[in-house]
Amino acid sequence: GAVVSQHPSWVICKSGTSVKIECRSLDFQATTMFWYRQFPKQSLMLMATSNEGSKATYEQGVEKDKFLINHASLTLSTLTVTSAHPEDSSFYICSAPSPGSYEQYFGPGTRLTVT
Amino acid sequence: QKEVEQNSGPLSVPEGAIASLNCTYSDRGSQSFFWYRQYSGKSPELIMFIYSNGDKEDGRFTAQLNKASQYVSLLIRDSQPSDSATYLCAVLGGKLIFGQGTTLQVKP
Repeated sequence: GAVVSQHPSWVICKSGTSVKIECRSLDFQATTMFWYRQFPKQSLMLMATSNEGSKATYEQGVEKDKFLINHASLTLSTLTVTSAHPEDSSFYICSAPSPGSYEQYFGPGTRLTVT
Repeated sequence: QKEVEQNSGPLSVPEGAIASLNCTYSDRGSQSFFWYRQYSGKSPELIMFIYSNGDKEDGRFTAQLNKASQYVSLLIRDSQPSDSATYLCAVLGGKLIFGQGTTLQVKP
């Protein structure tokens, strides 16, 4: 089946620095990708919808200047956490919709720890 | 009212029993419903999806949908310890909305 990869799988950074997370669709094209955040013991919360060739759509309460999304190609979306703070520590997961169906394929996630 | 609601559990069942997981949703216009399983530290994996009222079976799993009651459930027959995980109900309207998940514990 279709695969979505994420890189890195985990990252530790210092407070105030920026971190970039990549999401790739490996054997299909995705004009849209989704970015989720999951805190411990909580569910997935949609942060933003990444659109190839246009601006991302952010959910209410998500700072677009802090979480920069770039959908550079039909197989790559990136999420950059700028000026990271310890409260940004979370599990970040991307997904891409399956061509021709309502199913979404999820990446393996990126564990971000900000110290 | 949350858009997708699940009992957080934990739901504990003995090995071999039937586990019943429930989910309600608020948007009557929702068309597609998904059950994901998530192990600790991992991303969700799709177990089943259902679009039409009624039951849909796949191996040990049965999804049930009742759009009039805005209710979707997942039955796991012959539960195994490896089924112990968090089960997330997700509803697709304009975007995929997840419930908070139900933790299932299957005891040997």
